[in-house]
Amino acid sequence: AQKITQTQPGMFVQEKEAVTLDCTYDTSDPSYGLFWYKQPSSGEMIFLIYQGSYDQQNATEGRYSLNFQKARKSANLVISASQLGDSAMYFCAMRATGNQFYFGTGTSLTVIP
Amino acid sequence: DTGVSQDPRHKITKRGQNVTFRCDPISEHNRLYWYRQTLGQGPEFLTYFQNEAQLEKSRLLSDRFSAERPKGSFSTLEIQRTEQGDSAMYLCASSLVSGWETQYFGPGTRLLVL
Repeated sequence: AQKITQTQPGMFVQEKEAVTLDCTYDTSDPSYGLFWYKQPSSGEMIFLIYQGSYDQQNATEGRYSLNFQKARKSANLVISASQLGDSAMYFCAMRATGNQFYFGTGTSLTVIP
Repeated sequence: DTGVSQDPRHKITKRGQNVTFRCDPISEHNRLYWYRQTLGQGPEFLTYFQNEAQLEKSRLLSDRFSAERPKGSFSTLEIQRTEQGDSAMYLCASSLVSGWETQYFGPGTRLLVL
């Protein structure tokens, strides 16, 4: 069975500081992809970053990086230099064989000025 | 704007009524997904299409739910005889069949069943 776990319901970070949002996953498939999405209060899911299970290097996209630790089955999102506009829900998702995406329950991030 | 669009953005209906939502994917995307998201949860997969073919349906999708994508472009999701438990955000996403298929989401349709 595929499962995504996000254990931090809410996180606070000071503006301009870095923050790490945790994500662990469970799958028996050898090949899978891991994704992070941001959902502001408006409701739209915004794609942030992707990591493939065979990728040797951690993915980075601007201020976002994905700390991929395959042995520990973790795919934490690191946001550097937090901005007020980063306040939102963040969802970790996984796609293994088959075509369903599995999402975690999300982490609410609040950036404090 | 070439992103995924959904219509309507909000819908209030009375229990027992039928509702229909529309999704227009990114034009070159051949896969289209429907999700349901309830408060405090991540999106849950409902169904997906590749072109006009509906290839997979979740067990969450009861027989009151039906989805179509007649010409492989836009899709509709219909809920018949709505129940209060159907109140949720309904999200549509589209992707290309390549690589790991990053999905791009629309703004969602928020349904409230009274």
